[in-house]
Amino acid sequence: DTGVSQDPRHKITKRGQNVTFRCDPISEHNRLYWYRQTLGQGPEFLTYFQNEAQLEKSRLLSDRFSAERPKGSFSTLEIQRTEQGDSAMYLCASSTLGNTEAFFGQGTRLTVV
Amino acid sequence: AQKVTQAQTEISVVEKEDVTLDCVYETRDTTYYLFWYKQPPSGELVFLIRRNSFDEQNEISGRYSWNFQKSTSSFNFTITASQVVDSAVYFCALSERSSSNTGKLIFGQGTTLQVKP
Repeated sequence: DTGVSQDPRHKITKRGQNVTFRCDPISEHNRLYWYRQTLGQGPEFLTYFQNEAQLEKSRLLSDRFSAERPKGSFSTLEIQRTEQGDSAMYLCASSTLGNTEAFFGQGTRLTVV
Repeated sequence: AQKVTQAQTEISVVEKEDVTLDCVYETRDTTYYLFWYKQPPSGELVFLIRRNSFDEQNEISGRYSWNFQKSTSSFNFTITASQVVDSAVYFCALSERSSSNTGKLIFGQGTTLQVKP
């Protein structure tokens, strides 16, 4: 296990379609984060899991977004009824408990047309 | 309110020049952590350094050095003798040890560094 893995790397979808992204964190990392990054901006926090529990959600996470982390392993982020404004890079990160450094995946770039 | 400001949007230097990337942060927490990440064109954020609010010692790692000053709420990053491979977007980030203690990061807008040969 060499790092955080995200799939797919790129996704193009039509407006109104649903999309799902997957993140495989570093093994035994308790914490998992999703961030969104738009062009020219820094990543913005979306949600946080400690093991399987989703403990915090940003106000950026509208009701069209849902994230899960079954069994505290991989995580999925689903966007329903996609809008053009959802176009962004979706980054996943994982870390151990405590404020240690978070390791990021390469992201999933979503384009909604 | 927590905030990270990277006032320099883009910096362009010629190889072998030294360059300093500025970072100013705002937080009400007394315990917090500061980070620098590098984002090359491939997109993956690469961790560079983490400092906690109680450790103001400057740090040097090879050509990289960091200057943390609580008095001015700044955490600046200097690359000495820059190389073309240093070209990337650099992000400063803050993590507060608030009651939720989630470890979530608050990022600045990033500074794009271009090192020309």
